[in-house]
Amino acid sequence: EDQVTQSPEALRLQEGESSSLNCSYTVSGLRGLFWYRQDPGKGPEFLFTLYSAGEEKEKERLKATLTKKESFLHITAPKPEDSATYLCAVQSNTGFQKLVFGTGTRLLVSP
Amino acid sequence: DARVTQTPRHKVTEMGQEVTMRCQPILGHNTVFWYRQTMMQGLELLAYFRNRAPLDDSGMPKDRFSAEMPDATLATLKIQPSEPRDSAVYFCASGSRSGSGSSYEQYFGPGTRLTVT
Repeated sequence: EDQVTQSPEALRLQEGESSSLNCSYTVSGLRGLFWYRQDPGKGPEFLFTLYSAGEEKEKERLKATLTKKESFLHITAPKPEDSATYLCAVQSNTGFQKLVFGTGTRLLVSP
Repeated sequence: DARVTQTPRHKVTEMGQEVTMRCQPILGHNTVFWYRQTMMQGLELLAYFRNRAPLDDSGMPKDRFSAEMPDATLATLKIQPSEPRDSAVYFCASGSRSGSGSSYEQYFGPGTRLTVT
């Protein structure tokens, strides 16, 4: 069974204090690993897809990396507007287009 | 700006009443997914459709939930009768193949917040 575990559950940072969020996964053949951002009262917003170990993708202050067992979302010099819940999900080669989500990391960036 | 739309955004109803949630997927997307999100369980997949045909609804309580896609622009999720444990946020997502063609990306609507009293 495909599984995703995210840590920490919650993270509080000062503005400008860089850190990383972790997503550990087990999947029967990885088709893609996805990162989403979710703001309160809104639907998840697509950020990145990673396909193979060693791949990296960047968007503004966010950089996602992938190994065979985990993915990291690095946040460099965060700003208060980066506060949100970050969700990780995996899509397997055998599960059609299904996504299996982790429970997310709630990030709060204080000014 | 293409996006998934959902109605209603909020619904409060009494136990035993029928609830219908609607979703308009992004034009051209051929897959539609229904998810439920709670604090305890996170995002759970309830059902999904491809080209309007149901592919998997194993995540839904079959006795009270039903999902349909009467046409390419409308997907519905019904609960009859509703129960307090159904209180959650229900999301619809539509999917398309990624630009690289290697995976399928899903784009979420704003959700319907359901409260059953």
